[in-house]
Amino acid sequence: EPEVTQTPSHQVTQMGQEVILRCVPISNHLYFYWYRQILGQKVEFLVSFYNNEISEKSEIFDDQFSVERPDGSNFTLKIRSTKLEDSAMYFCASKRGQGDQPQHFGDGTRLSIL
Amino acid sequence: EDQVTQSPEALRLQEGESSSLNCSYTVSGLRGLFWYRQDPGKGPEFLFTLYSAGEEKEKERLKATLTKKESFLHITAPKPEDSATYLCAVPANSGGSNYKLTFGKGTLLTVNP
Repeated sequence: EPEVTQTPSHQVTQMGQEVILRCVPISNHLYFYWYRQILGQKVEFLVSFYNNEISEKSEIFDDQFSVERPDGSNFTLKIRSTKLEDSAMYFCASKRGQGDQPQHFGDGTRLSIL
Repeated sequence: EDQVTQSPEALRLQEGESSSLNCSYTVSGLRGLFWYRQDPGKGPEFLFTLYSAGEEKEKERLKATLTKKESFLHITAPKPEDSATYLCAVPANSGGSNYKLTFGKGTLLTVNP
């Protein structure tokens, strides 16, 4: 069964450094998302992406964050100048079409900021 | 603002002891409700979509039901491998068809052998 793949599974970075989290969505999916989950808290929406542009972003998704689909398969989340509070699990998700179809999630990248 | 509340936060069952998890929601026009299972260190795994009150979906020992205000995930004769966190989520229509998900905090289910 097709699945969303995320790399790396764990990233440790010094505060102030830039990180890029990578995702390969399911191949025939058109809508892409990033969520994050701080330890012990809810899964929360960061950004949605469709047709090569951001569709919606949350208040969390400020100028520190950016997303890109550099080719036909990868979808990346870049965090510039990381802060301690950016430590969390970051999940990529994809959805095949418009409407209320389910989003399918990857297994996440655990980001630890030191 | 859409809200999703799940109860209980944690539930311990003996193998074979049936029970139900609750998800109550407040949304402006429900466009479906999703149930996911999340194992430790993993991403949410899609289980069910429910679209309208009265709808039911089943998968093995799990059955999800939906009313106008809440959804239940019934677990019949659970096994230890059903141990996981069960998440409920609703899509928000903020414009367009992107439907970001609003999640509840989840119910941590532990099934003891």
